[in-house]
Amino acid sequence: KAGVTQTPRYLIKTRGQQVTLSCSPISGHRSVSWYQQTPGQGLQFLFEYFSETQRNKGNFPGRFSGRQFSNSRSEMNVSTLELGDSALYLCASRGDYPQETQYFGPGTRLLVL
Amino acid sequence: KNEVEQSPQNLTAQEGEFITINCSYSVGISALHWLQQHPGGGIVSLFMLSSGKKKHGRLIATINIQEKHSSLHITASHPRDSAVYICAVSKGGATNKLIFGTGTLLAVQP
Repeated sequence: KAGVTQTPRYLIKTRGQQVTLSCSPISGHRSVSWYQQTPGQGLQFLFEYFSETQRNKGNFPGRFSGRQFSNSRSEMNVSTLELGDSALYLCASRGDYPQETQYFGPGTRLLVL
Repeated sequence: KNEVEQSPQNLTAQEGEFITINCSYSVGISALHWLQQHPGGGIVSLFMLSSGKKKHGRLIATINIQEKHSSLHITASHPRDSAVYICAVSKGGATNKLIFGTGTLLAVQP
């Protein structure tokens, strides 16, 4: 099976712009989670989706949003970018409960100038 | 206080040494995960534990549920083991949400 893929891998944006990141989970996985990794805060949970429904959301402002499509692919969007949004954004997919192992994608590295 | 604490934060070892990384948590969990992240970003899941001990090659992970503590051991360490090792916990149910420790940066010198 192909692993989790994320596009784009690298992105440079300027403050105030918006960005959309994409994640394709492992075939058959319906759960997708998003995480932000920064040097200062480490890894933090953004949100998770299961069968097109947002199941949980981390402590991030409303500028961060996401969605999941019927084929389980997921996108996250960040509007009105700030310098502090520069980070590695990782998505992970998981098989149906009770499976708990998460499989991570390579990440999208976002730089906001 | 963070819900997941790791120690040490940095670790330098000589090739062949036995390495231990510790993780303590303060919340109820359904599983504890050990993750490996090499420079460049990709994260690989090494172990998922809910009790006892697991072994994969030179890696061993143990968990003590009563003491809320887990250890990751690397036997006969090798320079290719150099990476950041991250402990994370999931609280249970159907949710994916992971709570992460700050990671341990391991450098194994030849």
